[in-house]
Amino acid sequence: NAGVMQNPRHLVRRRGQEARLRCSPMKGHSHVYWYRQLPEEGLKFMVYLQKENIIDESGMPKERFSAEFPKEGPSILRIQQVVRGDSAAYFCASSPQTAGANVLTFGAGSRLTVL
Amino acid sequence: AQSVSQHNHHVILSEAASLELGCNYSYGGTVNLFWYVQYPGQHLQLLLKYFSGDPLVKGIKGFEAEFIKSKFSFNLRKPSVQWSDTAEYFCAVNAPTDSWGKLQFGAGTQVVVTP
Repeated sequence: NAGVMQNPRHLVRRRGQEARLRCSPMKGHSHVYWYRQLPEEGLKFMVYLQKENIIDESGMPKERFSAEFPKEGPSILRIQQVVRGDSAAYFCASSPQTAGANVLTFGAGSRLTVL
Repeated sequence: AQSVSQHNHHVILSEAASLELGCNYSYGGTVNLFWYVQYPGQHLQLLLKYFSGDPLVKGIKGFEAEFIKSKFSFNLRKPSVQWSDTAEYFCAVNAPTDSWGKLQFGAGTQVVVTP
């Protein structure tokens, strides 16, 4: 089992460019979560998705950020017109369909640096 | 604002010493509690979790945590640390009003174990 796969592991963008981060959940997992970790801070929840549905986006910035989890393919976190403050580690996690006793499995993260 | 607080940002101790990391939360009602560990260069891994039942929870690698409801605490302990326990430790809470998978993380405690 390959676990939660994220790519790229490292991404460098200049201000104003777009960043796309991809996440493939663990096999058998249908729930995906995105978290952001700013320097010297803990992880902050961004969004919770199931296939083709956004369940909870209460942690997503109102502008420039979007997420999707299509029927086929990985989940994508998209940041448009990046700014220096977007520099962070972005972690994806997944869980099985059954909630309750299950926990999140995290990926290794994608580190975004905005120049 | 409701939050998760970890008492120490950095802890340095020698091998064989005992470790206790504090975690307090400010959410009322029934909460689900977690400790995650992030070893250098690796993804977050679940150490242990508490949903209900015995408030003394045993996790992997000799770690345990005690849920004290009256103190809103979930402290992590290990009687005798090893050099390989050098890592960052995160306490996390799934609050009763939050969707499953939306975890509130503490800022983390960096633990360094010296030989």
